[in-house]
Amino acid sequence: AQKVTQAQTEISVVEKEDVTLDCVYETRDTTYYLFWYKQPPSGELVFLIRRNSFDEQNEISGRYSWNFQKSTSSFNFTITASQVVDSAVYFCALSEGFDAGNNRKLIWGLGTSLAVNP
Amino acid sequence: DTEVTQTPKHLVMGMTNKKSLKCEQHMGHRAMYWYKQKAKKPPELMFVYSYEKLSINESVPSRFSPECPNSSLLNLHLHALQPEDSALYLCASSQQTAPYNEQFFGPGTRLTVL
Repeated sequence: AQKVTQAQTEISVVEKEDVTLDCVYETRDTTYYLFWYKQPPSGELVFLIRRNSFDEQNEISGRYSWNFQKSTSSFNFTITASQVVDSAVYFCALSEGFDAGNNRKLIWGLGTSLAVNP
Repeated sequence: DTEVTQTPKHLVMGMTNKKSLKCEQHMGHRAMYWYKQKAKKPPELMFVYSYEKLSINESVPSRFSPECPNSSLLNLHLHALQPEDSALYLCASSQQTAPYNEQFFGPGTRLTVL
């Protein structure tokens, strides 16, 4: 069965600290896709990154970086030098299969609420 | 234009009212979604439209009725709702319904049912 676990419910840090949000997934498919979304207090879910199961390269985008490790079924997200604007709920999600029109649903983790304090 | 818009932002309705939520995207996406999100929970999928046809209905009660008039618009008609239907309703779109297509979300409608 597919499952996404975000064990950290809430994290609180002080500005400029580095913080890592954990995401562990379960799937039987060999082809799958992992996503991170950010939901600030305003409510809009913002797409951050997609990673497919064949690409284990780590990704860096500014202060954000993602570490994908198939061996541990993890897709962790690190924010370097956190800022108050990073305060949000972060969701990790999984999608399986590769056929277009397959109508696969996103499997969501429960989210991690990050508070960055000045 | 990478925006999904939703109206209204807030809606308060009584249990006997009929109202509609609207969603629009101009990214040329052929898949559109309705989600319901309760506080401190992930979004729950309600409906998926693919090429303007309903492709997934996640056993949503009939008091919620989706409509896709064209490839850019998605409506959610509400009738005889219950207080437990109060939630944030999010619309999303993606290029298609393929599992690798990321979804782009609107700002949501915060619905309160009295």
